[in-house]
Amino acid sequence: EDKVVQSPLSLVVHEGDTVTLNCSYEVTNFRSLLWYKQEKKAPTFLFMLTSSGIEKKSGRLSSILDKKELFSILNITATQTGDSAVYLCAVESGGTSYGKLTFGQGTILTVHP
Amino acid sequence: GAGVSQSPRYKVAKRGQDVALRCDPISGHVSLFWYQQALGQGPEFLTYFQNEAQLDKSGLPSDRFFAERPEGSVSTLKIQRTQQEDSAVYLCASSPGLDYYEQYFGPGTRLTVT
Repeated sequence: EDKVVQSPLSLVVHEGDTVTLNCSYEVTNFRSLLWYKQEKKAPTFLFMLTSSGIEKKSGRLSSILDKKELFSILNITATQTGDSAVYLCAVESGGTSYGKLTFGQGTILTVHP
Repeated sequence: GAGVSQSPRYKVAKRGQDVALRCDPISGHVSLFWYQQALGQGPEFLTYFQNEAQLDKSGLPSDRFFAERPEGSVSTLKIQRTQQEDSAVYLCASSPGLDYYEQYFGPGTRLTVT
């Protein structure tokens, strides 16, 4: 059974801090790993990672994948209160012709002013 | 609107009632997914459509759950004889194609069964 585990489950920081969120996985026929940000509404797409060692970056957010050790990290630098959300990691498994996602339980990030 | 929309946004049902949840995917998106998200958990896969064909329903928790997408666009998730354990947020997502396309999520329908 495919499994995705995120850590920590929750994190409280102050504005300006840097945070690292972790995601480890065990899936058959790995295709890609995705990060989503979920506020009190739809998860919004952040990154899709398919290759090891290639950092993806968007503003203050960056992410990297290690396919040998089966994990990914999401970094957020200079955090802002607007970064407060649940961050979801999901892995897309193959064996099918479509992207079936298995999600982790999420990391709740709270950024205090 | 360019995004995925879902209706209703909130639904309260008495145990035993049937409910129908609607998803309008992004126009032209081939793939449509339904997920169930319990409080404090990540979304869990329920079922997948490629156009009008339901190719995977392995995540549907029981035969009380039924989904359809008859014309390959709008989809409906129906839950018959609702139980308290069905209380959750039901998320719909669509993606444009079959390979390496991120899924775009709707706002979800929060179902509360009393």
